[in-house]
Amino acid sequence: DAKTTQPPSMDCAEGRAANLPCNHSTISGNEYVYWYRQIHSQGPQYIIHGLKNNETNEMASLIITEDRKSSTLILPHATLRDTAVYYCIVYGSSNTGKLIFGQGTTLQVKP
Amino acid sequence: KAGVTQTPRYLIKTRGQQVTLSCSPISGHRSVSWYQQTPGQGLQFLFEYFSETQRNKGNFPGRFSGRQFSNSRSEMNVSTLELGDSALYLCASSQEGTSGNTIYFGEGSWLTVV
Repeated sequence: DAKTTQPPSMDCAEGRAANLPCNHSTISGNEYVYWYRQIHSQGPQYIIHGLKNNETNEMASLIITEDRKSSTLILPHATLRDTAVYYCIVYGSSNTGKLIFGQGTTLQVKP
Repeated sequence: KAGVTQTPRYLIKTRGQQVTLSCSPISGHRSVSWYQQTPGQGLQFLFEYFSETQRNKGNFPGRFSGRQFSNSRSEMNVSTLELGDSALYLCASSQEGTSGNTIYFGEGSWLTVV
């Protein structure tokens, strides 16, 4: 079973920041938080991952709480092309190549 | 650099046949994982290979098998196809498959069983 909980759906206005929450209260010390998104009929696209520090790349920012029990993915200026299903995944070396996908959050960016 | 490449992209097979799907990982990546995605079950892990050895396996019947070659390319095979095997099959690669590695997915192979 997935170790994460995400809201099933969210809306965001185009040009505004999209903040996608994820709860992972049972995360272990050596487990990373990964975010992917999937646009209909395409393979999941890697967005970002982190252990305990906040991370930023050209796509998004990842904010992990100090207790590591939750995180937020931030898309700073959402566009219509960001409409997708977003998956938050907890992954540790004991998983050995196995990402466990939950149901994800369907983000709808509206004009 | 080139991403994860999967072939074929689309194929149609008949019940009872077998199918082989191919995955070429990103150059330098030695870990390759396979997933099945269906509308009802979502994304489910099939197996993972590293340096030609299967290190992890999901809960799928023995009709699903895979292998990895010395150049890290991987294939998966499904024998005696059933209608329920119709799905998007995804391949993912990373350098070591360990936590902290970036894991990239290919575009997938769409299999339809009729």
